[in-house]
Amino acid sequence: AQKITQTQPGMFVQEKEAVTLDCTYDTSDQSYGLFWYKQPSSGEMIFLIYQGSYDEQNATEGRYSLNFQKARKSANLVISASQLGDSAMYFCAMREGTNAGGTSYGKLTFGQGTILTVHP
Amino acid sequence: DVKVTQSSRYLVKRTGEKVFLECVQDMDHENMFWYRQDPGLGLRLIYFSYDVKMKEKGDIPEGYSVSREKKERFSLILESASTNQTSMYLCASSLFAGGLGNEQFFGPGTRLTVL
Repeated sequence: AQKITQTQPGMFVQEKEAVTLDCTYDTSDQSYGLFWYKQPSSGEMIFLIYQGSYDEQNATEGRYSLNFQKARKSANLVISASQLGDSAMYFCAMREGTNAGGTSYGKLTFGQGTILTVHP
Repeated sequence: DVKVTQSSRYLVKRTGEKVFLECVQDMDHENMFWYRQDPGLGLRLIYFSYDVKMKEKGDIPEGYSVSREKKERFSLILESASTNQTSMYLCASSLFAGGLGNEQFFGPGTRLTVL
């Protein structure tokens, strides 16, 4: 079973509008972390935002916010006031807290990604 | 400014060749990772290392090996390159201590083509 699912292969948004990129996750751990990364066409991965499973408030970083719904196991990224430079691939990722046998070590599991295109 | 560098941005190799992809980080991070990225599949973990000379298999280790002789350097080795190893390879590093929130810092990627 997929641990991270991003169901939107591609999304389009008009400049200055808000857009939500979906992410659902699957884990039996109580302690875990959720990340969003941006990958522009140049290829580098840029960290955007982090949400811990015990965080009561939704994480926010500038124009990025994470709509965390724990019961639904969803961690959607909301980008407000879209800009042309937001056009990129976006990845959702999860770090589980399991450390049995010392094998966690900060591994991330990534979703398939969503390509966002911002139209002028 | 934190940095992860990879030895090549683009690489073309022939089937059967031994291929070395090098990754260096200057952040004194304990953890280092190698991923491959393919369309529709996201990033998949090949191998990771949590200390010098220590390594663990990821989700898709077959056909690959790794080496970590120094803390700052993590090498991915394709013992005998095959066409199905044509992909984008991304290296990352992160701190070991500090909890779940430690982000991974990524290199620029190496686009490998095996002919």
